[in-house]
Amino acid sequence: KNEVEQSPQNLTAQEGEFITINCSYSVGISALHWLQQHPGGGIVSLFMLSSGKKKHGRLIATINIQEKHSSLHITASHPRDSAVYICAALSLSGSARQLTFGSGTQLTVLP
Amino acid sequence: EAGVAQSPRYKIIEKRQSVAFWCNPISGHATLYWYQQILGQGPKLLIQFQNNGVVDDSQLPKDRFSAERLKGVDSTLKIQPAKLEDSAVYLCASSLWTGQGEQYFGPGTRLTVT
Repeated sequence: KNEVEQSPQNLTAQEGEFITINCSYSVGISALHWLQQHPGGGIVSLFMLSSGKKKHGRLIATINIQEKHSSLHITASHPRDSAVYICAALSLSGSARQLTFGSGTQLTVLP
Repeated sequence: EAGVAQSPRYKIIEKRQSVAFWCNPISGHATLYWYQQILGQGPKLLIQFQNNGVVDDSQLPKDRFSAERLKGVDSTLKIQPAKLEDSAVYLCASSLWTGQGEQYFGPGTRLTVT
């Protein structure tokens, strides 16, 4: 069983829809990342959060530490939001802090 | 601030050939990571450096993969000899220090082994 699980794996939405991507983790974490990966392969960090909620533009990320669950929301979705969204849990392992990645959610927003 | 640089962006080789990837982290970042991302999966950590020392290489297939960061800045990742299952995107990331969670990723190198 993967330590970080995302759902759904694939998501297709119409432009303007409200989108939610979920992430559950089983490891103890110090923080959780939401990352965006475009087809070229490069990854951009969207959020790093350890409690509560963060908002940046149309993106909102929430985390519930007790339930070990995080969500990424996109309001008023746009075709340019089409990408793979990955959650990654930052855990402490020995002297190193490591990211454990989910397998990603492929989001396609249709015009 | 310049981001993490990687080269080449794409590489196609035949199995049993050798290949090397290069990464230049963000200036001042002490920690450098190499990840392997197979299509449809999340990235998997191969090796983590703190300056020029290895912090974690437990998932690096050492019979064919090697990495170095001799001067604590640039890093190279080598595969010798390559196998078909090595086809993946190889991502380099850096962070200020090991205990600092924010990692900055490069554009990746897409390797195809035929």
